[in-house]
Parts: sequence; C-alpha cells; structure tokens
Amino acid sequence: AQKVTQAQTEISVVEKEDVTLDCVYETRDTTYYLFWYKQPPSGELVFLIRRNSFDEQNEISGRYSWNFQKSTSSFNFTITASQVVDSAVYFCALSEKKSGGYQKVTFGIGTKLQVIP
Amino acid sequence: KAGVTQTPRYLIKTRGQQVTLSCSPISGHRSVSWYQQTPGQGLQFLFEYFSETQRNKGNFPGRFSGRQFSNSRSEMNVSTLELGDSALYLCASSPGGLAGGPTPPETQYFGPGTRLLVL
Repeated sequence: AQKVTQAQTEISVVEKEDVTLDCVYETRDTTYYLFWYKQPPSGELVFLIRRNSFDEQNEISGRYSWNFQKSTSSFNFTITASQVVDSAVYFCALSEKKSGGYQKVTFGIGTKLQVIP
Repeated sequence: KAGVTQTPRYLIKTRGQQVTLSCSPISGHRSVSWYQQTPGQGLQFLFEYFSETQRNKGNFPGRFSGRQFSNSRSEMNVSTLELGDSALYLCASSPGGLAGGPTPPETQYFGPGTRLLVL
C-alpha cells in the first residue's frame, strides 16, 4: 500500500534556526516519484522539488536541501537559516505510475512550520 | 505560462444546495486532478480527468462529480451539499502523457483553490 507519513504535525523555530521536516514513505513499486510542496496561508500548493526513485543524490537549492535515502524510505527536507516567509504547511507526496496511464498520488498530512521572528 | 486558475475563490452555500467549481489548467496540460483539503483529513484525491475522460477516481460519494471540456478546462460539481463538504478544493494540472501510454509520474501544479463553506 502507498503511504506517506509526516510525523511532525507542527514545528516552531526561531528565525535563523535550521529545521528539518521528516517524510517517510511506503511503496511496493520500484519506480516512483517523491515531491515536496509548500502551502502558504493563501492556500495554493507551491511545487518545491521532485525526486525519482533512481536518483538518491541530495539536492540543495538556496536555503533548501533534501535528503533522499531509499534504505530508510525517507525524503527529508531541511531549511537552513529559517525566515518568517518560510512559515507555511509543507507536504510530502508520493506518486506511482499505474496501468492505464494515470498516476496515483498520496500526500502526507502536512507539517505546519511556524518561524518566529 | 499562466498558472492554474480556479473560480470562484470563495463560496458560501447552504445545506442541500449544489455547487460547481471551475479549473483552468496550465496551457498544454491535459490532465486535471481535484483534491479536497480539510483540517482533519488532509488532502484527499477526488478524481482525475484526461482528454475529457475520468481516468482515476478516489473514494468519494456519487454527489461529487466532474467533467472536462475539449480545451482541458474542468468543472467539479457537488450536489446536495452537506456541512462536511466545507473544505478547500484544489485543482492540479499536469501534462498527462499519452492515454494508456507509459507515462512516468508527473509533477502536478496546483491552483489557488476554492474555499467552500456550507452553512
């Protein structure tokens, strides 16, 4: 069964602290994609990153970095030197391709990050 | 490219009424998926449309329906509204690949959502 677990429902940090958001997934497929989305208070989910199951290289984009480890089925997201604008709900998602051409996407419950000035 | 647009942004209805929400995908995208987001349940998949056909469906009652037009715009309809239908309804678009073809998972791009309040 396809499942995404974000164990941290809410995190509060003080501005400039580093913070890591955890994501653990379950899948039986060998080919899948993992995603992170940011949802600010306005409501729109903003795409942050996509990783396919064959690419375990970590990625860094500015203050954001992602650590993908297949051995532990984890795809964690770290924000370095957090800022107030990082306050949002962050979703981890897993996508598998199914027969018939469609993809099955499962989202985690989300982690609400509050960055305190 | 313009992003995904959804109308209306906010809606207030009463129980028993019906509602229609609209979504215009990114130009060139042929797949439109709908999600319901509530504080208790998170993001729940409603259905996906591709080339005017429902390609995938989540576990929602028949009161929830949708359709897609030839220009890939999609509408979602909820009939006989219940209080529990109050939620943020999000639409996502993706290229969609080829019908029945070996399409890898794609990135979905989301619209701003429609906030529905049922009184």
